[in-house]
Amino acid sequence: DIQMTQSPSSLSASVGDRITITCRASQSISSYLNWYRQKPGKAPKLLIYAASSLQSGVPSRFSGSGSGTDFTLTISGLQPEDFATFYCQQTYSTPYTFGQGTRLEIK
Amino acid sequence: EVQLVESGGGLVEPGGSLRVSCAASGFTFSNVWMSWVRQAPGKGLEWIGLIKATTNGGTTDYGAPVKGRFTISRDDSKNTLYLQMNSLKTEDTAVYYCTTVSKTLYYFDYWGQGTLVTVSS
Repeated sequence: DIQMTQSPSSLSASVGDRITITCRASQSISSYLNWYRQKPGKAPKLLIYAASSLQSGVPSRFSGSGSGTDFTLTISGLQPEDFATFYCQQTYSTPYTFGQGTRLEIK
Repeated sequence: EVQLVESGGGLVEPGGSLRVSCAASGFTFSNVWMSWVRQAPGKGLEWIGLIKATTNGGTTDYGAPVKGRFTISRDDSKNTLYLQMNSLKTEDTAVYYCTTVSKTLYYFDYWGQGTLVTVSS
C-alpha cells in the first residue's frame, strides 16, 4: 500500500495569512493526488485534484503543486472557513490512501 | 444539483450485520463510479472500497480491513448504493460516507453527509 504523510500535523495561523501544507507519498504517484478540506462535523470537500487542478467552485486562494512523491497545498489569504482539517489522498492505485490530516487552527 | 443521502446507520453488536444505503440524485447514477469512505470518531479518513459503473462492468475493489466482510453493491433502477457490513467489529465504529468517483482521475468529487455506525455491546 502507498503511505501518505502530511506535514505539519497541526498549524496555527491568522486570517489573511499564506500557509503551505506538504504531502509525501511512499512511492511515485505521478499526479494522482487530491486535497480535501473538512470542517468539524461535516463531510470532506474536494479542493484540488490531479495535484494542481482547482475543483469547480473552489476559490482561487487554493492552489496545489507537485508530482511524483512530493506535493504541496497552498492557501493564500486564509479565510475564517479555512480553519479546518485538510487531507491529501492518492488515487494512483488502490487502496486509495489518505494522509493523516493537517489541522489548521486560528492563532 | 448532486445529492447523496446516506441512511441506515445505528447501533449493532459485535459480530452483527448492518446495511447502509446512499440515495443519489442530480446525475446519471448508472454512469458513475461510487465509493465508501469512513471516519472513526476523532480520526482520519479511511477508504473502504468502490464499485465501478455498470457500463464498466460494475466490479468492486476493497481495502484490506473490510475485504471479505463488507460488500458494495448498486441498484441503478433505484439510484442507490449499498454497503453490506457483516461480522462487525468494534473498530468498524465510524461515520460512513458515500462519494462519487471520477472515472478518469479517480478523485472523490461529491460526498454525502454521512451515517454513523456504532458497534458495541
